[in-house]
Amino acid sequence: EPEVTQTPSHQVTQMGQEVILRCVPISNHLYFYWYRQILGQKVEFLVSFYNNEISEKSEIFDDQFSVERPDGSNFTLKIRSTKLEDSAMYFCASTPDSWEQYFGPGTRLTVT
Amino acid sequence: QKEVEQDPGPLSVPEGAIVSLNCTYSNSAFQYFMWYRQYSRKGPELLMYTYSSGNKEDGRFTAQVDKSSKYISLFIRDSQPSDSATYLCAMSYSGTYKYIFGTGTRLKVLA
Repeated sequence: EPEVTQTPSHQVTQMGQEVILRCVPISNHLYFYWYRQILGQKVEFLVSFYNNEISEKSEIFDDQFSVERPDGSNFTLKIRSTKLEDSAMYFCASTPDSWEQYFGPGTRLTVT
Repeated sequence: QKEVEQDPGPLSVPEGAIVSLNCTYSNSAFQYFMWYRQYSRKGPELLMYTYSSGNKEDGRFTAQVDKSSKYISLFIRDSQPSDSATYLCAMSYSGTYKYIFGTGTRLKVLA
């Protein structure tokens, strides 16, 4: 069964460094998302992406964040200058329409 | 009032029990209701998806939506130890792509 994949599974970085989290959505899906989950807290929406542009973003998704679909398969989240409070699980999701979102296994980001 | 509320648990039940998991919400615009299962340090796995009110059944799982009470439920029949996980409700409405998640209920099914 097709699934969303994410790399790396765990990323450790120093405060102020740039990180890129990578996702390969399910191949025939059209809508892509990033969510995050701080340890012990709820899953929070960051951004949605459709037709090569951001369709919606939350107040968390500030100028430090960007997303890109550099080719036909990858979908990336970049954090330009990481802060301690960016430490979280980051989940990529995709859907063939705008509902029934399928999540990847997540990347655990630790900022030291 | 939080937009989506969910009892964090933990909820412990014996194997074979019927489990009832619930969420309440405050935004009457919600029309799309999802239940996800999340094992520790894994991604959410979609279990059930319902639109508007009513019931939906899939194997041992039944999802119910009561829009008049702003209340949704997930029932698990014949619960198994492998059902032990955190169950997340998520909701959305027309005009947005984002899901609003509850905090999750931790379920333990004891063998």
